[in-house]
Amino acid sequence: DVKVTQSSRYLVKRTGEKVFLECVQDMDHENMFWYRQDPGLGLRLIYFSYDVKMKEKGDIPEGYSVSREKKERFSLILESASTNQTSMYLCASSPQGISYEQYFGPGTRLTVT
Amino acid sequence: QQQVKQSPQSLIVQKGGISIINCAYENTAFDYFPWYQQFPGKGPALLIAIRPDVSEKKEGRFTISFNKSAKQFSLHIMDSQPGDSATYFCAASKWAANQFYFGTGTSLTVIP
Repeated sequence: DVKVTQSSRYLVKRTGEKVFLECVQDMDHENMFWYRQDPGLGLRLIYFSYDVKMKEKGDIPEGYSVSREKKERFSLILESASTNQTSMYLCASSPQGISYEQYFGPGTRLTVT
Repeated sequence: QQQVKQSPQSLIVQKGGISIINCAYENTAFDYFPWYQQFPGKGPALLIAIRPDVSEKKEGRFTISFNKSAKQFSLHIMDSQPGDSATYFCAASKWAANQFYFGTGTSLTVIP
């Protein structure tokens, strides 16, 4: 079974703090993704990575950065958290060349106060 | 700009009824259309998917209907069950491309 794990289920941070969200997958997938999920807006892609140290911007990269130093791990970084970044963050992975199925983690509910 | 438009936002269906969720897209380059199912507290999981070379795909009680000329596709859940209560997302992409464009989601509640 493919397993995508996220470091925290719930996180509360203060405005201006630096926030790290970690994602680990155990299926040797090349592709990894970070989405945010908001009511009425669906899933919006923040960043994705198709290889170690490679990254591509998605639809809403502003205010976020990512890091992929190892194949199995993809980190989302909020350099200076703001209240409008309060959301559910979902990580996903997929194998290269067969990226039609993305496997999602359970999500991290981030609240910025 | 929403690449994939999904409706309705929420749906309540009696047990045994048919649930229908609709999606529309603009980009004619899209050639892969998956549906994802998400239960509370879980990440989305692939439910069923279709490519535009067929007009319908059925897996058990779940059917995707695809209308290429209208640029629309829909999910039909036959004999809906309370266990089907979840949020459903349609999506579109180019085959083997990395980026999916998701719809806004439909919250389905099946009443016993």
